[in-house]
Amino acid sequence: GIQVEQSPPDLILQEGANSTLRCNFSDSVNNLQWFHQNPWGQLINLFYIPSGTKQNGRLSATTVATERYSLLYISSSQTTDSGVYFCAVEDADSWGKLQFGAGTQVVVTP
Amino acid sequence: DAEITQSPRHKITETGRQVTLACHQTWNHNNMFWYRQDLGHGLRLIHYSYGVQDTNKGEVSDGYSVSRSNTEDLPLTLESAASSQTSVYFCASSIQPGGYNTGELFFGEGSRLTVL
Repeated sequence: GIQVEQSPPDLILQEGANSTLRCNFSDSVNNLQWFHQNPWGQLINLFYIPSGTKQNGRLSATTVATERYSLLYISSSQTTDSGVYFCAVEDADSWGKLQFGAGTQVVVTP
Repeated sequence: DAEITQSPRHKITETGRQVTLACHQTWNHNNMFWYRQDLGHGLRLIHYSYGVQDTNKGEVSDGYSVSRSNTEDLPLTLESAASSQTSVYFCASSIQPGGYNTGELFFGEGSRLTVL
C-alpha cells in the first residue's frame, strides 16, 4: 500500500514563529488532506489538497503531486496551533482507504 | 447546523460483552467511516460505507461489524469486546466528489472505549 511519511515528528515553536511541515508519499494520489488534532482530541479538516496551493488565514498548504510531497505552512503561530498535524492520502488502488501519516506534534509556547 | 455526533463519548465495559458505538451525521453524506486511534499506530480504518446497505472492511476489521440501514447512521458493534479493543474510536463522513476519491473527511468528536 501507499506509504506516508511526515516530518519533523516533533516541533516546538515560540509564539509568532513560522514553520513548515512536510508530507511525503510513495505513489500517485487522488486525495490528500491535512488535519489538526487539538489537545482535546478533536480532529479538524484543514485542507483538501490533492494538488496546488490553498490558504486559510495563517495556514496554507501546497501539494506537488508530480514530486509526491505536500507542505503545510503555519505563519505567526499561536498557542491554539498546538496539537498534532496529520497528512492523509488515497490512491486509486486504495479507494476508500485514506492512509494517515504518523503526524507531527507541534507545541507553541507563549 | 449540520454535524456528525458520536455516542457514548466514554464507555467502560468488560471483556466478552457486546458494545455498540453510535455515529449520526446530518450532512446527508453518502460515505461514512470508522477509525480507531492508538498510540504508536495512528489512525487505522476499521470499516467504511459508500451508501445504504453498503459496507466494506478496512485494515483492522476483525472483531468489529457495521450496518448501514439509512444515510445518517453507521453504528459500530464489537461482538465480544477484548482488551485489545481499548482505544479511541472516530467516526467520519464525506461526500464523494466523483471518481476514485473518498472526498473531504469530517470527523466526529470520538468515543473513548475501555475494555477491562
